[in-house]
Amino acid sequence: EEHLVESGGGLVQPGGSLRLSCVASGFTFGTYWMNWFRQAPGKGLEWVAKIRMDGGERFYVNSVSGRFTISRDNGESSLFLQMNSLRAEDTAVYFCARDAMRGGECDCWGQGTLVTVSS
Amino acid sequence: DIQMTQSPSTLSASVGDRVTITCRASQSFSTWLAWYQQKPGKAPKVLIYKTSSLQAGVPSRFSGSGSGTEFTLTISSLQPDDFATYYCQQYTSYPYTFGQGTKLEIK
Repeated sequence: EEHLVESGGGLVQPGGSLRLSCVASGFTFGTYWMNWFRQAPGKGLEWVAKIRMDGGERFYVNSVSGRFTISRDNGESSLFLQMNSLRAEDTAVYFCARDAMRGGECDCWGQGTLVTVSS
Repeated sequence: DIQMTQSPSTLSASVGDRVTITCRASQSFSTWLAWYQQKPGKAPKVLIYKTSSLQAGVPSRFSGSGSGTEFTLTISSLQPDDFATYYCQQYTSYPYTFGQGTKLEIK
């Protein structure tokens, strides 16, 4: 069965950094585009970043561009999100998700990891 | 950025009802629209992709349609498991954007 499992969330002070990880199993990780999404408490979904299979293309939502970096290690079937200069408005559950082979909708999601930015 | 506006924000309905949720885009586009269902504390689940294609394993009571700036999700006969929050998402251009969500409640 196909699985994505996130980790690395926690409490961090404003201006701090955090690195999220997402480990894939049950499918050939290196053949899929991958994404990070987030959902602030009680709010809707927001797409954060996307990375090509080989890591050669990366895209970001404007609000995190320059502060967050998406990366991957296909040998370890892992996706990462390095988050720097964190702000209170970055507080959210962060989900990793896989693009479907046929297009950009996401057909496999992790359970999410909570990031809280607060002093 | 393409802004997606869903309506209604909340919908009260009964088991067996037919319901429609609408998503309007700030710019016209075709095809690359998805609908997700999310239950509290869970990850989203894709129901519809490419505007009208049914994701494998999703009941056929779910259907999608639309083009240009208006897209709809229809549930033909509500079942107890369908009470959840629904989101549309465009993936035609970056940044991908979602509607604000429609919470489907039991009447």
